[in-house]
Amino acid sequence: KNEVEQSPQNLTAQEGEFITINCSYSVGISALHWLQQHPGGGIVSLFMLSSGKKKHGRLIATINIQEKHSSLHITASHPRDSAVYICAVALFGNEKLTFGTGTRLTIIP
Amino acid sequence: KAGVTQTPRYLIKTRGQQVTLSCSPISGHRSVSWYQQTPGQGLQFLFEYFSETQRNKGNFPGRFSGRQFSNSRSEMNVSTLELGDSALYLCASSLGRLAGARRYQETQYFGPGTRLLVL
Repeated sequence: KNEVEQSPQNLTAQEGEFITINCSYSVGISALHWLQQHPGGGIVSLFMLSSGKKKHGRLIATINIQEKHSSLHITASHPRDSAVYICAVALFGNEKLTFGTGTRLTIIP
Repeated sequence: KAGVTQTPRYLIKTRGQQVTLSCSPISGHRSVSWYQQTPGQGLQFLFEYFSETQRNKGNFPGRFSGRQFSNSRSEMNVSTLELGDSALYLCASSLGRLAGARRYQETQYFGPGTRLLVL
């Protein structure tokens, strides 16, 4: 079983829809990262969080440490949000990142 | 401030050869991490360097090695290339702040990657 599970694997939505991507992990972590990867490979770090909630523009990330679960929300989705979203965790005592398999998001105009 | 740069961007090698990839971090960043991304395995951590020392290593064979220079630039080397080494190799840099002997978790800034094809 993977230490980091993401769902859904693929998500297609209409422009303007509210998007939720989920990430569950099975071990204690010191932090969780949400990353965005566009076609061509470039990766951008969206959020790093260890508790609570963070917001940046139309993106919101939440984490529940007790339930070992995080969500990434996108409000008023736009075709430029189409990308692969990857969750990664840093395990307690070993700061190397372990990655989920990613969620491929496609927003249709 | 210039972002993380990686060279070369594309590389084609044959089995048995070796390859060296280079990563220049953001100015002032002392930590550099390397990752391998393949369609089958996804993103996997290779190693992390901080102040010229390898601080962490992923589960890769000894054919994969790296180093960091005093200016924080880093190189990774893969010897005796295999077909399965074909991948996108990404490096990421971060400030590298310490909390005693432990590292803070920090935002990582990724380079554009080097796409390696082994024939």
